[in-house]
Amino acid sequence: TQLLEQSPQFLSIQEGENLTVYCNSSSVFSSLQWYRQEPGEGPVLLVTVVTGGEVKKLKRLTFQFGDARKDSSLHITAAQPGDTGLYLCAGARDDKIIFGKGTRLHILP
Amino acid sequence: GAVVSQHPSWVICKSGTSVKIECRSLDFQATTMFWYRQFPKQSLMLMATSNEGSKATYEQGVEKDKFLINHASLTLSTLTVTSAHPEDSSFYICSATTSGDPYEQYFGPGTRLTVT
Repeated sequence: TQLLEQSPQFLSIQEGENLTVYCNSSSVFSSLQWYRQEPGEGPVLLVTVVTGGEVKKLKRLTFQFGDARKDSSLHITAAQPGDTGLYLCAGARDDKIIFGKGTRLHILP
Repeated sequence: GAVVSQHPSWVICKSGTSVKIECRSLDFQATTMFWYRQFPKQSLMLMATSNEGSKATYEQGVEKDKFLINHASLTLSTLTVTSAHPEDSSFYICSATTSGDPYEQYFGPGTRLTVT
């Protein structure tokens, strides 16, 4: 059973466009992390959200934690080729960390 | 801060031999270290969780006699793939957490293992 669903799985868009990646679950998480991974490298932590309804911004990236702490979204404004990568969300629950399957994002120049 | 290194970054070995991969936290003491396996274009698959000085906790389906994990200190964990076979070829990534937040993971750069 996949406890953390990410969508879309793949996304290819033109530079300058906006996009949103979703991370959904029926379970409540105590915190949720977003990571970005480039080919041949380990994932890099982008942000942690803890409070329901919390919004965090990292330059052109906006992260939101759902009010019920069951879902999260990542919105990228004016995507750049450097945003290309695999985006992973991970939820913390019962001392376990659960990763989503990831969203593979490709930004076309 | 919170830098994790892995060594080697890539290794090729013959079937039947053993390979050891090191994971080090360079500028912090790691409360817990994790070992993941990742297949091409897929997400991370947790193999085991290890705490310094205690036995690793393996995920269901991961053979603990094949994937030996030693967490000798707060800055070093090793994964040994014993009697490697071609199907063990994969990208192995370790991560570590700090005492500040047990859920924020700092990942190493990964080790590409190819078994011929």
